[in-house]
Amino acid sequence: NAGVTQTPKFQVLKTGQSMTLQCAQDMNHEYMSWYRQDPGMGLRLIHYSVGAGITDQGEVPNGYNVSRSTTEDFPLRLLSAAPSQTSVYFCASRRDGLETQYFGPGTRLLVL
Amino acid sequence: AQTVTQSQPEMSVQEAETVTLSCTYDTSENNYYLFWYKQPPSRQMILVIRQEAYKQQNATENRFSVNFQKAAKSFSLKISDSQLGDTAMYFCAFMISYSGGGADGLTFGKGTHLIIQP
Repeated sequence: NAGVTQTPKFQVLKTGQSMTLQCAQDMNHEYMSWYRQDPGMGLRLIHYSVGAGITDQGEVPNGYNVSRSTTEDFPLRLLSAAPSQTSVYFCASRRDGLETQYFGPGTRLLVL
Repeated sequence: AQTVTQSQPEMSVQEAETVTLSCTYDTSENNYYLFWYKQPPSRQMILVIRQEAYKQQNATENRFSVNFQKAAKSFSLKISDSQLGDTAMYFCAFMISYSGGGADGLTFGKGTHLIIQP
């Protein structure tokens, strides 16, 4: 099992550009979520999904869109990047009924 | 809403010493989980230990143990015989016990940077 994978590892964007951060898991987990980590902060929840076709907002959803068309994939879309979205992004997944979250390696995003 | 507070931004101890990291949380929920995650310079989030709120017994994983005080909403992490490889950021995290299509997500503290000196 590859676990939770994220691509790209690092990306530089210009203000106003769009991009999609990819997240995939091969553990057949129902729950998936996206977090951002800023300097001096813990991780903060952006969006989450409790199953294919079902998504909801977390603590800091503004500027981000998500969809969950398959169990395996949960992409995060930035429609118009802003410097405030410079951060490290983590994807996580877990099985329904179990509390342990498995994290991906993170994507570092720099918006100029 | 839940909040998690880690009051020690940075701690430094000598190798082989014992160190305790503090964490307090606030919630009105009764069923929840608490976690400690380690984040080394590689940025990977590594689960250190977890505690179910309904269990009175404190969790232990090798050199890592917790002191869970539910009434005080306190969840400290003790690292015994500290090693150089323990140097990392440590995050305390909280999760409500959801299942069957409920909500999801961890609430994190701001972290404690632990430095183990040789």
